[in-house]
Amino acid sequence: QKEVEQNSGPLSVPEGAIASLNCTYSDRGSQSFFWYRQYSGKSPELIMSIYSNGDKEDGRFTAQLNKASQYVSLLIRDSQPSDSATYLCAPYPSQGNLIFGKGTKLSVKP
Amino acid sequence: EAGVAQSPRYKIIEKRQSVAFWCNPISGHATLYWYQQILGQGPKLLIQFQNNGVVDDSQLPKDRFSAERLKGVDSTLKIQPAKLEDSAVYLCASSLYSSGANVLTFGAGSRLTVL
Repeated sequence: QKEVEQNSGPLSVPEGAIASLNCTYSDRGSQSFFWYRQYSGKSPELIMSIYSNGDKEDGRFTAQLNKASQYVSLLIRDSQPSDSATYLCAPYPSQGNLIFGKGTKLSVKP
Repeated sequence: EAGVAQSPRYKIIEKRQSVAFWCNPISGHATLYWYQQILGQGPKLLIQFQNNGVVDDSQLPKDRFSAERLKGVDSTLKIQPAKLEDSAVYLCASSLYSSGANVLTFGAGSRLTVL
């Protein structure tokens, strides 16, 4: 049974702080990893993808991947109230389709 | 480019009734997915189509759910008869490819309430 574990939160951070969202996955064969953002009442939208160990930066977002530890994270620098949403971790397993975690709810307080 | 279109946006039915949802993917996207998202959970894949063929329907409750994608474009997801636990948002997504570094684009979703 392939699993994706995320802390459901809510994770509350003050505006301007760094938000750190973590995800672990069970399938060692996973090669592609995605972070989707989902605002309340809206559908998920892709914000980051990462395929290699290490860091990948895109604006205020940094994805970090450690395949040996089966761990992927998303850092949001200079958090804004508009970043308040649920963040879904989605590894692409060695067989089958994307598996979504339950998501971490982030709240950025002004 | 136009996004993934879904309808209806909201539907309320009583248990044991039937319901159908429609999806039109992004033009040129060969792969279409239906996901079920229960409140507080991540999306769960129900069925994946590649053109008009089914690639993965391992998590589709086939005794009550059915889906088709005629002509490899639009798709319809049907539930008959509905149960209380089917209350969820049904998300349609499409992508260019079917595996690997695959980016999914989701529609706005169809929210189903079963009373």
